[in-house]
Amino acid sequence: AQKITQTQPGMFVQEKEAVTLDCTYDTSDPSYGLFWYKQPSSGEMIFLIYQGSYDQQNATEGRYSLNFQKARKSANLVISASQLGDSAMYFCAMRELNTGTASKLTFGTGTRLQVTL
Amino acid sequence: EPEVTQTPSHQVTQMGQEVILRCVPISNHLYFYWYRQILGQKVEFLVSFYNNEISEKSEIFDDQFSVERPDGSNFTLKIRSTKLEDSAMYFCASERGQISPLHFGNGTRLTVT
Repeated sequence: AQKITQTQPGMFVQEKEAVTLDCTYDTSDPSYGLFWYKQPSSGEMIFLIYQGSYDQQNATEGRYSLNFQKARKSANLVISASQLGDSAMYFCAMRELNTGTASKLTFGTGTRLQVTL
Repeated sequence: EPEVTQTPSHQVTQMGQEVILRCVPISNHLYFYWYRQILGQKVEFLVSFYNNEISEKSEIFDDQFSVERPDGSNFTLKIRSTKLEDSAMYFCASERGQISPLHFGNGTRLTVT
Protein backbone atom coordinates (compact mmCIF):
# COMPACT_ATOMS: atom_id res chain seq x y z
CA ALA A 1 0.00 0.00 0.00
CA GLN A 2 1.19 3.50 -0.76
CA LYS A 3 2.00 5.89 2.05
CA ILE A 4 3.06 9.53 2.24
CA THR A 5 4.66 11.11 5.29
CA GLN A 6 5.11 14.80 5.99
CA THR A 7 6.81 15.21 9.34
CA GLN A 8 6.69 19.01 9.60
CA PRO A 9 3.27 20.19 10.75
CA GLY A 10 4.43 23.81 10.55
CA MET A 11 7.33 25.80 9.15
CA PHE A 12 8.37 29.44 9.28
CA VAL A 13 10.54 31.18 6.71
CA GLN A 14 11.57 34.77 6.23
CA GLU A 15 10.60 36.54 3.06
CA LYS A 16 13.15 36.08 0.25
CA GLU A 17 14.69 33.04 1.91
CA ALA A 18 14.49 29.49 0.60
CA VAL A 19 12.60 26.76 2.45
CA THR A 20 12.46 22.98 2.12
CA LEU A 21 9.31 21.04 2.93
CA ASP A 22 9.94 17.37 3.59
CA CYS A 23 8.08 14.44 2.11
CA THR A 24 8.86 10.74 2.24
CA TYR A 25 6.87 8.01 0.59
CA ASP A 26 6.55 4.27 0.48
CA THR A 27 5.37 2.10 -2.36
CA SER A 28 6.14 -1.27 -3.88
CA ASP A 29 5.16 -0.08 -7.36
CA PRO A 30 8.23 0.83 -9.47
CA SER A 31 6.13 3.27 -11.49
CA TYR A 32 4.67 6.17 -9.57
CA GLY A 33 4.20 9.92 -9.64
CA LEU A 34 4.80 12.46 -6.91
CA PHE A 35 2.90 15.74 -6.66
CA TRP A 36 2.90 18.84 -4.54
CA TYR A 37 -0.21 20.94 -4.01
CA LYS A 38 -0.67 24.28 -2.27
CA GLN A 39 -3.83 25.03 -0.30
CA PRO A 40 -4.19 28.68 0.70
CA SER A 41 -6.61 29.75 3.41
CA SER A 42 -9.33 30.16 0.78
CA GLY A 43 -9.35 26.38 0.47
CA GLU A 44 -8.63 25.57 -3.17
CA MET A 45 -6.01 22.99 -4.16
CA ILE A 46 -3.38 24.36 -6.50
CA PHE A 47 -1.06 22.02 -8.37
CA LEU A 48 2.60 23.05 -8.06
CA ILE A 49 4.93 20.41 -9.40
CA TYR A 50 5.16 16.79 -10.55
CA GLN A 51 7.96 14.20 -10.52
CA GLY A 52 7.74 10.82 -12.20
CA SER A 53 9.61 7.87 -10.72
CA TYR A 54 11.55 7.34 -13.95
CA ASP A 55 12.40 11.00 -14.48
CA GLN A 56 16.15 11.43 -14.52
CA GLN A 57 16.18 15.08 -13.53
CA ASN A 58 14.58 16.86 -10.62
CA ALA A 59 11.44 18.74 -11.61
CA THR A 60 11.43 22.54 -11.53
CA GLU A 61 8.59 25.03 -12.01
CA GLY A 62 9.60 28.62 -11.50
CA ARG A 63 10.46 29.10 -7.83
CA TYR A 64 9.50 25.53 -7.02
CA SER A 65 11.84 22.60 -7.34
CA LEU A 66 11.54 19.03 -6.22
CA ASN A 67 14.53 17.38 -4.59
CA PHE A 68 13.88 13.78 -5.62
CA GLN A 69 16.03 11.18 -3.90
CA LYS A 70 14.69 7.85 -5.10
CA ALA A 71 16.89 5.60 -2.97
CA ARG A 72 15.78 7.47 0.14
CA LYS A 73 12.17 7.63 -1.08
CA SER A 74 12.01 11.33 -0.50
CA ALA A 75 10.52 14.12 -2.60
CA ASN A 76 11.15 17.37 -0.81
CA LEU A 77 9.73 20.63 -2.15
CA VAL A 78 12.10 23.59 -2.27
CA ILE A 79 10.62 27.07 -2.55
CA SER A 80 13.19 29.69 -3.39
CA ALA A 81 12.86 33.41 -2.67
CA SER A 82 9.79 33.00 -0.46
CA GLN A 83 6.99 35.51 -0.78
CA LEU A 84 4.23 36.43 1.64
CA GLY A 85 1.76 34.85 -0.76
CA ASP A 86 3.47 31.50 -0.27
CA SER A 87 1.91 31.23 3.19
CA ALA A 88 -0.38 28.23 2.88
CA MET A 89 -0.75 24.54 3.58
CA TYR A 90 1.38 22.33 1.34
CA PHE A 91 0.48 18.75 0.57
CA CYS A 92 2.70 16.07 -0.88
CA ALA A 93 0.83 13.35 -2.78
CA MET A 94 1.62 10.18 -4.65
CA ARG A 95 -0.08 7.84 -7.06
CA GLU A 96 0.95 4.43 -8.28
CA LEU A 97 0.82 4.16 -12.06
CA ASN A 98 0.65 0.42 -12.68
CA THR A 99 -2.95 0.01 -11.60
CA GLY A 100 -4.31 -0.03 -15.12
CA THR A 101 -7.13 2.36 -14.38
CA ALA A 102 -7.91 5.68 -12.70
CA SER A 103 -5.49 5.58 -9.78
CA LYS A 104 -6.03 7.63 -6.68
CA LEU A 105 -3.76 10.25 -5.20
CA THR A 106 -2.75 9.56 -1.63
CA PHE A 107 -2.00 12.72 0.35
CA GLY A 108 0.25 13.44 3.27
CA THR A 109 -0.96 15.31 6.32
CA GLY A 110 0.42 18.60 5.05
CA THR A 111 2.84 21.28 6.22
CA ARG A 112 1.62 24.75 7.09
CA LEU A 113 4.13 27.31 5.85
CA GLN A 114 4.18 30.80 7.26
CA VAL A 115 6.28 33.43 5.50
CA THR A 116 7.33 36.30 7.75
CA LEU A 117 8.72 39.77 7.02
CA GLU B 1 -7.17 28.27 -18.71
CA PRO B 2 -10.03 25.77 -18.36
CA GLU B 3 -10.91 24.81 -14.83
CA VAL B 4 -12.99 22.40 -12.82
CA THR B 5 -16.08 24.12 -11.43
CA GLN B 6 -18.05 23.01 -8.41
CA THR B 7 -21.43 24.12 -7.17
CA PRO B 8 -22.55 25.13 -4.67
CA SER B 9 -19.55 26.57 -2.87
CA HIS B 10 -21.27 26.04 0.46
CA GLN B 11 -24.18 23.78 1.37
CA VAL B 12 -25.87 23.54 4.73
CA THR B 13 -28.19 20.61 5.29
CA GLN B 14 -29.93 18.85 8.12
CA MET B 15 -28.90 15.40 9.24
CA GLY B 16 -30.74 12.72 7.29
CA GLN B 17 -31.27 14.86 4.20
CA GLU B 18 -29.98 14.03 0.76
CA VAL B 19 -27.45 16.31 -0.89
CA ILE B 20 -26.09 16.42 -4.41
CA LEU B 21 -22.76 18.08 -5.05
CA ARG B 22 -22.13 19.10 -8.61
CA CYS B 23 -18.99 19.33 -10.66
CA VAL B 24 -18.17 20.24 -14.22
CA PRO B 25 -14.78 18.72 -15.08
CA ILE B 26 -12.49 20.09 -17.76
CA SER B 27 -14.00 19.12 -21.09
CA ASN B 28 -11.32 16.85 -22.59
CA HIS B 29 -10.56 15.07 -19.33
CA LEU B 30 -11.27 11.39 -18.97
CA TYR B 31 -10.74 10.58 -15.31
CA PHE B 32 -12.84 12.01 -12.51
CA TYR B 33 -12.49 11.92 -8.77
CA TRP B 34 -14.10 12.99 -5.53
CA TYR B 35 -12.04 13.74 -2.46
CA ARG B 36 -13.00 15.14 0.89
CA GLN B 37 -11.17 17.09 3.57
CA ILE B 38 -12.53 17.28 7.08
CA LEU B 39 -11.57 20.65 8.58
CA GLY B 40 -7.90 20.74 9.48
CA GLN B 41 -7.23 17.21 8.30
CA LYS B 42 -5.72 15.57 5.27
CA VAL B 43 -7.35 15.16 1.90
CA GLU B 44 -8.99 11.74 1.59
CA PHE B 45 -9.85 9.83 -1.56
CA LEU B 46 -13.49 8.88 -2.01
CA VAL B 47 -13.98 7.53 -5.51
CA SER B 48 -12.56 7.50 -9.02
CA PHE B 49 -14.58 7.28 -12.20
CA TYR B 50 -13.54 6.39 -15.72
CA ASN B 51 -15.38 5.25 -18.82
CA ASN B 52 -18.74 5.77 -17.15
CA GLU B 53 -18.08 3.53 -14.21
CA ILE B 54 -16.45 3.57 -10.81
CA SER B 55 -12.80 2.54 -10.99
CA GLU B 56 -12.04 2.50 -7.31
CA LYS B 57 -13.70 3.56 -4.09
CA SER B 58 -12.46 3.96 -0.56
CA GLU B 59 -13.92 2.60 2.67
CA ILE B 60 -15.52 5.99 3.23
CA PHE B 61 -17.57 5.61 0.05
CA ASP B 62 -20.27 3.37 1.46
CA ASP B 63 -23.85 2.73 0.31
CA GLN B 64 -24.84 6.26 1.29
CA PHE B 65 -22.67 7.67 -1.49
CA SER B 66 -23.15 7.48 -5.22
CA VAL B 67 -21.69 9.20 -8.28
CA GLU B 68 -23.14 9.90 -11.68
CA ARG B 69 -22.12 11.47 -14.93
CA PRO B 70 -25.62 12.09 -16.18
CA ASP B 71 -25.05 14.09 -19.34
CA GLY B 72 -21.42 13.87 -20.42
CA SER B 73 -20.42 17.12 -18.76
CA ASN B 74 -21.60 17.08 -15.15
CA PHE B 75 -20.19 14.76 -12.50
CA THR B 76 -22.23 14.52 -9.30
CA LEU B 77 -21.73 13.13 -5.84
CA LYS B 78 -24.87 12.21 -3.92
CA ILE B 79 -25.06 11.55 -0.23
CA ARG B 80 -28.36 9.85 0.46
CA SER B 81 -28.82 10.46 4.17
CA THR B 82 -26.27 12.86 5.57
CA LYS B 83 -24.63 12.39 8.96
CA LEU B 84 -22.89 14.97 11.12
CA GLU B 85 -19.54 13.40 10.27
CA ASP B 86 -20.11 14.07 6.57
CA SER B 87 -19.37 17.73 7.26
CA ALA B 88 -16.27 18.47 5.20
CA MET B 89 -14.93 20.17 2.12
CA TYR B 90 -15.63 18.03 -0.94
CA PHE B 91 -13.32 18.38 -3.90
CA CYS B 92 -13.98 17.23 -7.42
CA ALA B 93 -10.95 16.64 -9.64
CA SER B 94 -10.33 15.61 -13.21
CA GLU B 95 -7.41 14.77 -15.46
CA ARG B 96 -6.64 13.90 -19.03
CA GLY B 97 -4.32 10.97 -18.33
CA GLN B 98 -2.62 9.13 -15.54
CA ILE B 99 0.63 11.09 -15.49
CA SER B 100 -1.01 14.47 -15.83
CA PRO B 101 -1.72 16.43 -12.68
CA LEU B 102 -5.14 16.29 -11.10
CA HIS B 103 -6.99 19.56 -11.51
CA PHE B 104 -9.12 20.30 -8.50
CA GLY B 105 -12.23 22.40 -8.26
CA ASN B 106 -12.55 25.01 -5.53
CA GLY B 107 -14.57 22.63 -3.39
CA THR B 108 -18.00 22.52 -1.80
CA ARG B 109 -18.07 23.06 1.93
CA LEU B 110 -20.80 20.79 3.30
CA THR B 111 -22.12 21.51 6.77
CA VAL B 112 -24.51 18.98 8.28
CA THR B 113 -26.46 20.23 11.29
